[in-house]
Amino acid sequence: DAKTTQPTSMDCAEGRAANLPCNHSTISGNEYVYWYRQIHSQGPQYIIHGLKNNETNEMASLIITEDRKSSTLILPHATLRDTAVYYCIVRGTNSGYSTLTFGKGTMLLVSP
Amino acid sequence: NAGVTQTPKFRILKIGQSMTLQCTQDMNHNYMYWYRQDPGMGLKLIYYSVGAGITDKGEVPNGYNVSRSTTEDFPLRLELAAPSQTSVYFCASRNLETQYFGPGTRLLVL
Repeated sequence: DAKTTQPTSMDCAEGRAANLPCNHSTISGNEYVYWYRQIHSQGPQYIIHGLKNNETNEMASLIITEDRKSSTLILPHATLRDTAVYYCIVRGTNSGYSTLTFGKGTMLLVSP
Repeated sequence: NAGVTQTPKFRILKIGQSMTLQCTQDMNHNYMYWYRQDPGMGLKLIYYSVGAGITDKGEVPNGYNVSRSTTEDFPLRLELAAPSQTSVYFCASRNLETQYFGPGTRLLVL
């Protein structure tokens, strides 16, 4: 699975959009981009995933560049409860049993 | 649909004691996983299962055992607890695309 690079930490004001970047320059054609987050003391939570097209669900939007070498997770109206570590993970659907590999992620701090 | 459930939420063990961490999922997923997460660190894979009756070791299996007699249940057994096993344990299940995690079990070995 391709490796990802994320900033260590980011700040965001409550009510504003949080834009979390991720670089995955070695991504291959059959690999998806996944985003998970882990709120303190809780299990990781699935947010969204995508292959080529931009995706949106009730939690967030995922913007993937045309060359697929980077992506941005957007939380449109961040709240204090969105403070968490956000993980960008690249994984192919043909990876069999293999689990997700969680790197260090981005610590997002949402402030009042 | 409860997702992935884990019991207990918290446990204190004495060195040498044994216990079983329970994990159940109601999504009919074949793939299930056990991780541990030490403070400030990432998740490390202990064991995984690709279906009932099939289990295999992950990155850090020493000191643990698992079984998978049904699709729903994937218990993790600690036979002789050691202080190094103090951690938060997460169970997860996966369909083809998405992995779902339980709330975790905090284990303290003294």
